[in-house]
This record gives sequence, C-alpha cells and structure tokens, in this order.
Amino acid sequence: DQQVKQNSPSLSVQEGRISILNCDYTNSMFDYFLWYKKYPAEGPTFLISISSIKDKNEDGRFTVFLNKSAKHLSLHIVPSQPGDSAVYFCAASEYSGGGADGLTFGKGTHLIIQP
Amino acid sequence: EAGVAQSPRYKIIEKRQSVAFWCNPISGHATLYWYQQILGQGPKLLIQFQNNGVVDDSQLPKDRFSAERLKGVDSTLKIQPAKLEDSAVYLCASSFLLGASGTYEQYFGPGTRLTVT
Repeated sequence: DQQVKQNSPSLSVQEGRISILNCDYTNSMFDYFLWYKKYPAEGPTFLISISSIKDKNEDGRFTVFLNKSAKHLSLHIVPSQPGDSAVYFCAASEYSGGGADGLTFGKGTHLIIQP
Repeated sequence: EAGVAQSPRYKIIEKRQSVAFWCNPISGHATLYWYQQILGQGPKLLIQFQNNGVVDDSQLPKDRFSAERLKGVDSTLKIQPAKLEDSAVYLCASSFLLGASGTYEQYFGPGTRLTVT
C-alpha cells in the first residue's frame, strides 16, 4: 500500500516556464512534508518542506502548496532552469514530538527542462 | 560543513555472500537513518537510530539484515546472506533532533550501490 504517490513518472517543461510537480498521500497522520531533488549517482538533496499547520511555503524559485483536505501537495518551480532537470521525490513524516521520524517517499517524478 | 559520508560507493557480490556498508553522519546529528532504494522506487526506511539506540526497525528484514551505531556516531549496515532482491542503493541519512527553524530535514549521503549476482 503506497502511502505517498507521485502519479507522473516524468514531466517535460520548457526553460523559463513553470514546473508543477504533484504528490498525493493517504495517511492522515502525516504532518510534515518534504521535497527532495536527486541527480544520478548522488543522494537526494533537500529542497523545501512544509508543516501541516501551513498551506504554503516559499523559498526563492520554489514554492510548496499543501491542501490537507485533499491530501495533496505540489511543488512549483518558477522559472524553470536547465539545472532543475532531475528526479524529484515527495516525502512525508509523522512528527512524534520526540524527534524526526523516518520518511515515506513517493516513487519520484523525472523533470526534464527543455531549452 | 562535511556531509554524510558512505563507503564503499559500489559493491558487487554473489548471492549468499555477506556485505557491510559504513556511514559517518554530519557532526552533531543525533539521528541516523538507513534507507534502501530499489531501481524505479523511492527510498524505503530500514532502520532509524537516535544516538546509539534503535527507534524504528520495523521494516528491517532481521533474518538477514543487521545494523549498529556504536558510540552514537558511525553506523554499519550488514547483509548476511545476500539475496538477488537485495540489489539496490543503500542510503544513509542524518538529522538534528530539531532543526534551527523548527524543522528537521534529513541529509543524505551519496549511497552504496549493491549488485547481487
């Protein structure tokens, strides 16, 4: 049973346009969400996160939106740049209050930025 | 600041052999995680340590996998005996108990790619 779902295995976007990556989750106990970016032969790199008490978090070109009622989050990248081409993982966690719990990941979306 | 270190980067073994992976987390990070990433999938948590104690090992196949974190710093993950389905990238990550911003991002190492033939 996949608790975090990224239904688009790949996404192609033109340079300079907006990239929107989507993620759905089923576990209502998740209260912390993260996006990671991964290049080949490297470990995932933290990009941006959002707590369930917020519905939006912004960091430069990256914005994450959370819709708790729909159990849906999205990552917006504006404007998209060639260096953004990578696999993007959505991840979720239950914050236990005593520390950081392990993450549950989606399968990833391969973002390709076309020149 | 040095990142999470892992070794070896690549390992090829035959089924039924044993293998061990090593991880050195970011200095000062109390929490350490091991994840398994099979090709085409997202990383899956195997075990989580808080200092040198196990917090969660519910997804660790304990009949063949073991892990330890002596002295609450470095950690090793061992597979004995290996099966074909253990072929994957093994990722180590670490985090503060609570980050400066109130969040707790996990920082990943480059991973060890294991091929079992």
